[in-house]
Amino acid sequence: DAKTTQPTSMDCAEGRAANLPCNHSTISGNEYVYWYRQIHSQGPQYIIHGLKNNETNEMASLIITEDRKSSTLILPHATLRDTAVYYCIVRPYGSSNTGKLIFGQGTTLQVKP
Amino acid sequence: GAVVSQHPSWVICKSGTSVKIECRSLDFQATTMFWYRQFPKQSLMLMATSNEGSKATYEQGVEKDKFLINHASLTLSTLTVTSAHPEDSSFYICSAIQGNTEAFFGQGTRLTVV
Repeated sequence: DAKTTQPTSMDCAEGRAANLPCNHSTISGNEYVYWYRQIHSQGPQYIIHGLKNNETNEMASLIITEDRKSSTLILPHATLRDTAVYYCIVRPYGSSNTGKLIFGQGTTLQVKP
Repeated sequence: GAVVSQHPSWVICKSGTSVKIECRSLDFQATTMFWYRQFPKQSLMLMATSNEGSKATYEQGVEKDKFLINHASLTLSTLTVTSAHPEDSSFYICSAIQGNTEAFFGQGTRLTVV
């Protein structure tokens, strides 16, 4: 079973920031938070991951709460091409890492003009 | 990011025939590859984990004799759906990792069994 909880769907206006929340209250100390997205009829695309510090890359920012029980993915200026299903996944690192990703239902983000 | 390529992108086959799907890591050597299946409006379901040179590890409920996985090299894994039936119609997706890196996914293969 997935260890994360996400809202089923969200809307965002084009050009505005999209903030996608994720709850992972049972996360272990050796688990990262990963975000992927899946545009319709394509394979998932890696976005970003983090352990406990906030992270930023060219696609998005990841804000992880201090207790690590939740996080927020931020797309700073959403475009219509960002319409997709966004998956938040926890995954162990180090020797416990099997590479498996267990997908939950994700959040369907609809960016509207 | 790294590139993972699947072939074919889509395939239609007759019921009772077998279909092979290839997954290649184009610019890195994949220590492990994974196969997922996705039905319409559902999430990805992990089917099996494949390590180069060893037998695949199947998730509970996945028939290993029906879904044959071969990982002959560090850049190629194949999934063969044997004696396909209409209920096997689905979107099959592979992913690959190298060590502790993030997983990179193929573009998926749409299988339709008629």
